[in-house]
Order: sequence, then C-alpha cells, then structure tokens
Amino acid sequence: DVKVTQSSRYLVKRTGEKVFLECVQDMDHENMFWYRQDPGLGLRLIYFSYDVKMKEKGDIPEGYSVSREKKERFSLILESASTNQTSMYLCASHLSSGGVYGYTFGSGTRLTVV
Amino acid sequence: AQSVTQPDIHITVSEGASLELRCNYSYGATPYLFWYVQSPGQGLQLLLKYFSGDTLVQGIKGFEAEFKRSQSSFNLRKPSVHWSDAAEYFCAVGGYGKLTFGQGTILTVHP
Repeated sequence: DVKVTQSSRYLVKRTGEKVFLECVQDMDHENMFWYRQDPGLGLRLIYFSYDVKMKEKGDIPEGYSVSREKKERFSLILESASTNQTSMYLCASHLSSGGVYGYTFGSGTRLTVV
Repeated sequence: AQSVTQPDIHITVSEGASLELRCNYSYGATPYLFWYVQSPGQGLQLLLKYFSGDTLVQGIKGFEAEFKRSQSSFNLRKPSVHWSDAAEYFCAVGGYGKLTFGQGTILTVHP
C-alpha cells in the first residue's frame, strides 16, 4: 500500500513564526497536494505539484508557499504564521496517470497558532 | 469551475437503519467522482469511485453509490448502518488534476 507520512500529528506555534509541514510518500507518485480542513468548509486546496520543482497555486494559497526538491517530499511553508492558519493540514499524492484511482492521504497535522 | 455540495451537515441514524448521504456536483466534462470517509483523528480513506461504466458502484465496508448524470448527483448508500460507520464523509469531484471536496457530512449512529 502507498504510504503518505506527515511528520507531525500536532504542532503548536507562535504568531509570526516560520512553520514547515513535511510530507513524504513512498510510491514514486508524481502528483502531491496540500489541503487544509476546517469544520463546515471541507477540504480546500492550498498548493499542488506535478513534478519536482514544479508547483501550482490552489484555491487558497495566500500566506503559504511550498517546496518540492525531491519527488517523494512536498513541504508546506507558512512564512509568518497567523492565528487564522490554525487548522488541520492534509497531504495527498497520486500517480499522474492514476488520478482516477483517487488520492492517498496522510493522517494530517493539526496546527495551532497562538 | 468544479464544485461539490453536500446538503446535509449532520445526519443521525439508528444502528441497523439504512443510510443515504447526498452529493451534488458541478463539472464541465464527464466527472470523476469519489467518496471518502474520515474517522476522528484520522486521514481520509477512499470508499469508492466512479469514472465510467456502470452507474452503480460498489465500495468498501458495504457502501455503494449511484451516479445520476441528469441530476448531477452521486449519492452514497448503505442498507444497514453499523456503529463503526460513525465518521465524517466527503464527496469529491475531479480528474487527473486536483480534486474538489464538499463540505462533509457528519454521521452519528445511535445504538
């Protein structure tokens, strides 16, 4: 089974800190995604990447950036954390030709910004 | 633009009762449709998917969903709910690119 691993389950950061959320997948998937999940809003796409060093903005990229230096790793960066970025963050991946099979998700990182 | 609407935020059923969760979508072409389930504190697990062929699709855990193009719907059903089905359910539409998710439906199961 494909495994998508998010390095932290829970994080607490201070306002203004630079925050890195890490995601690693072990099945050579080209496509990787970062979503945030908030009650009543479902999942909203922040950024995605189709290949190493490539990135595309999703629906809510403001306040975030990403890095994909290696195929298996996709990092989400909060340049200066704010309280409205307190949320659950979910990483997902899939093969470029396998989109119809759906995504594989990580277990999520619950970030609290104080 | 693609979008998904799940009209029911919260549904409560008794164990053993039947279940139907509603999903309506908007998509410019033939849609790829998915249902995911999320148990508390967990990531999302794929229940089933539709991309072509038979409009009634079977998934894991005894779930099924029916694609109705005329109604732009992809409702999830289960004939007899178990207490372990209590979770949040997400409908999603998309294709080779990004998926767009609905707001989610929280399912509570009473004994």
